[in-house]
Parts: sequence; C-alpha cells; structure tokens
Amino acid sequence: DAKTTQPTSMDCAEGRAANLPCNHSTISGNEYVYWYRQIHSQGPQYIIHGLKNNETNEMASLIITEDRKSSTLILPHATLRDTAVYYCIVRVVGAGNMLTFGGGTRLMVKP
Amino acid sequence: DAGVIQSPRHEVTEMGQEVTLRCKPISGHNSLFWYRQTMMRGLELLIYFNNNVPIDDSGMPEDRFSAKMPNASFSTLKIQPSEPRDSAVYFCASSLKGGTGELFFGEGSRLTVL
Repeated sequence: DAKTTQPTSMDCAEGRAANLPCNHSTISGNEYVYWYRQIHSQGPQYIIHGLKNNETNEMASLIITEDRKSSTLILPHATLRDTAVYYCIVRVVGAGNMLTFGGGTRLMVKP
Repeated sequence: DAGVIQSPRHEVTEMGQEVTLRCKPISGHNSLFWYRQTMMRGLELLIYFNNNVPIDDSGMPEDRFSAKMPNASFSTLKIQPSEPRDSAVYFCASSLKGGTGELFFGEGSRLTVL
C-alpha cells in the first residue's frame, strides 16, 4: 500500500471548518483513499473513502486532487466531539481489507 | 447491531501469566483483524482472518502470541507467557471481505502486565 504523509497536529475553532490534508504521491491507480478517526480511548471509526471523485457523507467531505497525489478531509462545522486523531490510509479494496495505520493528525477543536 | 464485542475491557496481570483476549465480530462479516496499539508504535496489525482462516500473521511479534478463530462468531488472541512489554490496547475489527473495505472496530482490551 502507498505511504501517506499527514501533519502531526492541527487546531481548529469550534464551528469552523476543519481541513485535514494528506499527501499520497505514490498512490496507484487501483488504490482508494480512506479516512478513519480515533477518539481518545476508543476504537478507530470509519469516516469516508474515495477513488478519484469527491465524496460527501453525513460526517465529512473528501476532496481528492485530479492527479490523486493528495487529498483533504473536510469537517464542515467542527465540534468539540471531533477532537481526535485522524488517519489517512491508501489501499486496494478487496485485497484482504487490512489497513496499515500511520501516525495520523491529532486534531484539537477549541472553544 | 451490537457491533464488535471485545472482552475483557481491562486486564491486569503479572508477568508470566497467560492472557486470553476475546472478540465477537459483527454477524455476517467474514474478515477479522487483531491490532495492537501502544504510544511508541501506534496501531499495528497483528493478524487477520478470512472465513476463519488466518491469512497473514506476519505482525504477530513472537511465538508467545497466538490467535484462533474456531468459528465465524468468535476469535481469541492469547499471550503465553505475558511480559510487561505486551502492555497495550488490543483492538479487534471485522469487515465484509471484498466489500467497501470499511473496518468496524471494537472498544479494545487494555492489557497491563506487571
């Protein structure tokens, strides 16, 4: 699976949009971009995934650049409950479904 | 849906003792994963099963660790003998093989080996 690079930490004001970047310059054509988050002491939670088109669900939006070398997870109106570590992972769907987690971005949402 | 269920949630034991962690995956899921999380090493995949068969155990740290999946609704991760460096949070996750790739994680078992 391709390697990803994320900032170690970010801050965001409550109610504002949180934009979390991820670089995956070695991504292959059949690899998807997945985002998970881990709230303190809980198991990781799936947020969203995409191949090349932008995706949106009830939790977040995923913007993938045209060359697919980077992506941005957007939490449109961050709340204190969104404080967590966010992991960007690239992998081939169906290849065992296993995930390799990197260090992630620690997002702190502040009042 | 009850989600992935792990037990025990917390375990404190002494070095040399046997530890057994248990996991019940989501009904209908056919892939199961065991992860370990520590401050130093983050989240590491230990082993995963497809249709109850171990597929990749390259992440299992050493022979003291073993995992079984006797049926589709139950898996165990055993450490014998346990050592202080095994102290970590152990997560179990399940998914539908070949599906969207979404993994559903349990709440974890926090192990402390004294």
